[in-house]
Amino acid sequence: SQQGEEDPQALSIQEGENATMNCSYKTSINNLQWYRQNSGRGLVHLILIRSNEREKHSGRLRVTLDTSKKSSSLLITASRAADTASYFCATDAAENQGGKLIFGQGTELSVKP
Amino acid sequence: EAGVVQSPRYKIIEKKQPVAFWCNPISGHNTLYWYLQNLGQGPELLIRYENEEAVDDSQLPKDRFSAERLKGVDSTLKIQPAELGDSAVYLCASSLYRNSPLHFGNGTRLTVT
Repeated sequence: SQQGEEDPQALSIQEGENATMNCSYKTSINNLQWYRQNSGRGLVHLILIRSNEREKHSGRLRVTLDTSKKSSSLLITASRAADTASYFCATDAAENQGGKLIFGQGTELSVKP
Repeated sequence: EAGVVQSPRYKIIEKKQPVAFWCNPISGHNTLYWYLQNLGQGPELLIRYENEEAVDDSQLPKDRFSAERLKGVDSTLKIQPAELGDSAVYLCASSLYRNSPLHFGNGTRLTVT
């Protein structure tokens, strides 16, 4: 079973534009993480935001978390063709004492040069 | 530091045959995960180890799947007998401790014919 639901399922933008992906989840969490997956490869960790944090930045990435709405968003600014990948949110549910990451179904991002 | 190493990279077998996947986590990482990923979907947790103990195997189909992590380092995931529906990518991941980000291998793509 997957806790996170991501929106949109697919996103196509031009290089230089911003990309926003959303994630909704169902239960209380310890933290929420975002991962990237290039075709045929494993997932790569991008950023972790704890339940008591509202916003976090890492380079061109900005993540927000709204625990009252049980949702998170990932913003990639000034996108590049190399950002083309699938992006997954993953929740670490509070009920599990941590460590059990449940992934959403992902957003497939295509950045056209 | 070396990443998570998985082998084989690809495996094609006939249904009812056995198959095994091997994972070498990052040195010093106590927690090890096996995930299954179907095409276009997010990873689904099969089993999680802390050292050599399986702390969460609730999603592992125990009638045909088995896993072990001897000495708390390398791990093997086995399917016997394989079914057509087992065709997927099997991902191994490790983390330094329970709540830290996951590091993934590139996966084993299994095709059952």
